[in-house]
Amino acid sequence: QKEVEQNSGPLSVPEGAIASLNCTYSDRGSQSFFWYRQYSGKSPELIMFIYSNGDKEDGRFTAQLNKASQYVSLLIRDSQPSDSATYLCAPRLFGNEKLTFGTGTRLTIIP
Amino acid sequence: GAGVSQSPSNKVTEKGKDVELRCDPISGHTALYWYRQSLGQGLEFLIYFQGNSAPDKSGLPSDRFSAERTGGSVSTLTIQRTQQEDSAVYLCASSITTNEQFFGPGTRLTVL
Repeated sequence: QKEVEQNSGPLSVPEGAIASLNCTYSDRGSQSFFWYRQYSGKSPELIMFIYSNGDKEDGRFTAQLNKASQYVSLLIRDSQPSDSATYLCAPRLFGNEKLTFGTGTRLTIIP
Repeated sequence: GAGVSQSPSNKVTEKGKDVELRCDPISGHTALYWYRQSLGQGLEFLIYFQGNSAPDKSGLPSDRFSAERTGGSVSTLTIQRTQQEDSAVYLCASSITTNEQFFGPGTRLTVL
């Protein structure tokens, strides 16, 4: 079992709709969870992080965490073509600095 | 202000040669990380520096890989006797808090 699993996609979503990106992780010691966006040929940039169970909203983005189910998701509301990118999920263990990245979900927003 | 910079941006080398990749973190960032990303793969952690020391080297794939950081700033990742499987984009990131790692543009390494 991979440490971090994401559906590789591509996930196609119409412009203006909600894009839902999912991630499961295997290590129950994971305490914080990061979502990075990576445009093709570019380096990753942080979108959001979440520590606590429940939802965390930031603009059009909402991160959802369920530690019991070892599941974290990212919702993008009112999807825009500029949201087309690969989204990387990265849990971090308590007391550990390194991030363990999933292989990412490629999202395409269709105008 | 300036972000994380890496050099060279591209490196093509022959199998068996040694290569050095350089990372200049954001000024004042005490933590520095090296990752690599192979085609179709996620980012793979290599090593983490806090200041000049490396408390976590667990991701270095073999003893051909080494890294150092001097003056709490610039870091160099060295790959000795390169192999074709070393071909990847090597990314450096730095941070001042535990919440956000800022990534550089990467070095694309191709081993022929």
